[in-house]
Amino acid sequence: DVKVTQSSRYLVKRTGEKVFLECVQDMDHENMFWYRQDPGLGLRLIYFSYDVKMKEKGDIPEGYSVSREKKERFSLILESASTNQTSMYLCASSFRGTNTEAFFGQGTRLTVV
Amino acid sequence: AQKVTQAQTEISVVEKEDVTLDCVYETRDTTYYLFWYKQPPSGELVFLIRRNSFDEQNEISGRYSWNFQKSTSSFNFTITASQVVDSAVYFCALGEYNFNKFYFGSGTKLNVKP
Repeated sequence: DVKVTQSSRYLVKRTGEKVFLECVQDMDHENMFWYRQDPGLGLRLIYFSYDVKMKEKGDIPEGYSVSREKKERFSLILESASTNQTSMYLCASSFRGTNTEAFFGQGTRLTVV
Repeated sequence: AQKVTQAQTEISVVEKEDVTLDCVYETRDTTYYLFWYKQPPSGELVFLIRRNSFDEQNEISGRYSWNFQKSTSSFNFTITASQVVDSAVYFCALGEYNFNKFYFGSGTKLNVKP
């Protein structure tokens, strides 16, 4: 069974903390994504990686960075968490190629207080 | 720029009614892919269907059907004889050809009441 696993389901952090959200996939996918989901705004792409050590900014990269040192792992980093980063974060992965869907993790609900 | 619009924020129906979820997309690409996902209350997005831009055939899968019309840039999703278990948020997405980036709409929340 294919799997995208996010390290935490719920997370509470303090303003100013450095936060790491981890995502691991076991499908040998080239592409990995981090999305943020907020009510009424749908899923917005934060960062995208199409290969190890490769990354591209999405629509809302400000305040975030990413790391992809191994193919199966894609980390989202909040350098200094702020309350406006309270949200649901979704990791996804897919093959780089034609006609393939993305597979999603269960999501991490992050609250910054 | 790639864009997906789901104008219906929330729809409520009574069980056994048919319901159509609208999706309109914008792209300059000639080759692209379209997807529908379901997000039940548990939170994980579940893939339902994909379509490539060359395939305008409608598709039916059980109670689900999809109508892809390139002329109107629409990819609508119909649930026939809705059930309470269909209650979820449904997302339409556009996939790029080259690197397979995905662009999602804002989602439509479907409430099916018994």
